[in-house]
Amino acid sequence: DTAVSQTPKYLVTQMGNDKSIKCEQNLGHDTMYWYKQDSKKFLKIMFSYNNKELIINETVPNRFSPKSPDKAHLNLHINSLELGDSAVYFCASSHMSPTGGPRYTEAFFGQGTRLTVV
Amino acid sequence: AQSVTQLGSHVSVSEGALVLLRCNYSSSVPPYLFWYVQYPNQGLQLLLKYTSAATLVKGINGFEAEFKKSETSFHLTKPSAHMSDAAEYFCAVTYTGGFKTIFGAGTRLFVKA
Repeated sequence: DTAVSQTPKYLVTQMGNDKSIKCEQNLGHDTMYWYKQDSKKFLKIMFSYNNKELIINETVPNRFSPKSPDKAHLNLHINSLELGDSAVYFCASSHMSPTGGPRYTEAFFGQGTRLTVV
Repeated sequence: AQSVTQLGSHVSVSEGALVLLRCNYSSSVPPYLFWYVQYPNQGLQLLLKYTSAATLVKGINGFEAEFKKSETSFHLTKPSAHMSDAAEYFCAVTYTGGFKTIFGAGTRLFVKA
C-alpha cells in the first residue's frame, strides 16, 4: 500500500488551462503539505493543512487553491496555468504526536507530479 | 528566521571513501532536523532525524549525523560510499509548531567507481 499517493504522475498542459492534482495519505496523519520543486531541485513549501484547516500559505499566487475535504486528502487546483508553473509538485504528510514524545514526525512524501506547461 | 544551508551543491567521492555532506541551520528554538534522500524521478525518503534525544543519530543505509548545537550543524556522514548512494540529499528543519519544514538547497552526491 502506498503511504502518500498523488495523481497524476505526469501532467502536460497548455498555458491558460486549469488543472488539479490529487493527494491521499493512508498513514492516519493529521497534517498535509504541498511542496514545489523547481528545475534546480529547490524544494519550497506552498501550503500546510492541519486537520483540514489551512495553517501555512507561503505567498503562493491565488491561482493555486488547495482543498482538503478530509484529513486524508489534500488536492491542489491551479487556474490559468503559466509557463513558470512547470515544476514537480510533491504532496507530503506528517503527524503531531501527543505530549510525552517527539512533537512531530517526519514528513512522508508522495512520488511527485511533474507538471509541464507548454 | 529559520534557515538551512547545505555547503556544496555537488560532492563527488570514490566508491569506498568517506561521505561527508554538510548542513548548518539557524533556529531560535530547538529544532527538529532531518536528512532526506531523493533518487531520480522519485519522492523524498527519510534517512534519519534528530528530535532532541541522542546527538548522534543513526539512519538507514549506513548513514549517520551528529547534532552540534555549538556549531549549529547537522552534517551527514557514511564511512564507505557505495555506488547506490548516488542521489540528491536534502537537509531540513521543522519549526512553526511542526507545520513548516524548510529544506536546504540539496547536495548532489556522485560516487565514482
